[in-house]
Amino acid sequence: GAGVSQTPSNKVTEKGKYVELRCDPISGHTALYWYRQSLGQGPEFLIYFQGTGAADDSGLPNDRFFAVRPEGSVSTLKIQRTERGDSAVYLCASSLGAGAPTDTQYFGPGTRLTVL
Amino acid sequence: QKEVEQNSGPLSVPEGAIASLNCTYSDRGSQSFFWYRQYSGKSPELIMFIYSNGDKEDGRFTAQLNKASQYVSLLIRDSQPSDSATYLCAVNVSGGGADGLTFGKGTHLIIQP
Repeated sequence: GAGVSQTPSNKVTEKGKYVELRCDPISGHTALYWYRQSLGQGPEFLIYFQGTGAADDSGLPNDRFFAVRPEGSVSTLKIQRTERGDSAVYLCASSLGAGAPTDTQYFGPGTRLTVL
Repeated sequence: QKEVEQNSGPLSVPEGAIASLNCTYSDRGSQSFFWYRQYSGKSPELIMFIYSNGDKEDGRFTAQLNKASQYVSLLIRDSQPSDSATYLCAVNVSGGGADGLTFGKGTHLIIQP
């Protein structure tokens, strides 16, 4: 079946601009996660949705970052006033969200964001 | 502060040998542990998970967990050149299941033909 999809695959923007990154999870997965991965680092947790609500947004670095999931499926990560330090690969993952200790997250291909 | 530590490598292993990848974590409340493989320029791909102390085997892969020592490892038997990748250890502190994972920086594994 279809996996997690993310668009765009690459995004180049200028410092100060606004960007939106989209994630379409695996069908039937109620949990959705955003991570950010810089070169040479592991993915860094940003935010997690259970259904439409953000269950944990403790990883968002500051108030320039915001994410929504209005219908409990597709999610959009929004970054305002982008800075060069925001350049990274933004990964989305989804899971069944069934509450089992081993609820497994499956990752999308990522969006590579470059802020000039 | 949740921390997951891995030796960044590179770890070089001859083809056909056993590759041993190690990970330690700081939060004693951690409940489940995941190993992901990441090829260069690609996204992480799940290899296996473990949540009970002891060993768990899946094909050529064995995950080992020791909660008392806060240590988890991944063994790859009969290593193949296609196993060359970065291996990420990830920890879920929450006992309730779905939650953000804390990742280590990854170990870069090279299998020498």
